[in-house]
Amino acid sequence: SQTIHQWPATLVQPVGSPLSLECTVEGTSNPNLYWYRQAAGRGLQLLFYSVGIGQISSEVPQNLSASRPQDRQFILSSKKLLLSDSGFYLCAWSVGIDYEQYFGPGTRLTVT
Amino acid sequence: AQSVTQPDIHITVSEGASLELRCNYSYGATPYLFWYVQSPGQGLQLLLKYFSGDTLVQGIKGFEAEFKRSQSSFNLRKPSVHWSDAAEYFCAVGAWEVHSGGGADGLTFGKGTHLIIQP
Repeated sequence: SQTIHQWPATLVQPVGSPLSLECTVEGTSNPNLYWYRQAAGRGLQLLFYSVGIGQISSEVPQNLSASRPQDRQFILSSKKLLLSDSGFYLCAWSVGIDYEQYFGPGTRLTVT
Repeated sequence: AQSVTQPDIHITVSEGASLELRCNYSYGATPYLFWYVQSPGQGLQLLLKYFSGDTLVQGIKGFEAEFKRSQSSFNLRKPSVHWSDAAEYFCAVGAWEVHSGGGADGLTFGKGTHLIIQP
């Protein structure tokens, strides 16, 4: 069966510090991968999606970036965090042309 | 671009009572519609989905939803709620024709409805 992992589960970082969040998927090949951010009262916002290694599409301009160094690994990064980057970050995957997405447990990021 | 509206931010229901959560979407063609549930501090779990065919779809945990094209709605229902149903519920839409590659695009989510269950 397929599983999706995210780490860390929680993170407290000062403004201006770098960020690296990791997401890995097991039990499937060539998944589509997604990063969403969930801010209080604002639902989920799609940040990035990837259909293959090295292929990243950005939905929202910001100081975040994403990379996909391996087929089942998706990384969310920032060189300098802002207060507004605080939120709950969710990684998700889907397969092929199926819109059904499966979500990881999330990472709670607090920027202080 | 597609959009999703969940008009109720909070809903309080007594345990054992029926439930209906509203969802309206805006999209020119036939959408792909989903309902997800999120417990506090957790990821999202898929409750049910509509792609095509029968407009009344059954999901997990006793939930169902009905797609009404004329009303651009996809409301979630449950005949009798349990205390464990207290959670955040999200409606989402996928738009096949927006980009090439179909389902590889991300979903557009509503802002969610917080469900409170009264004993």
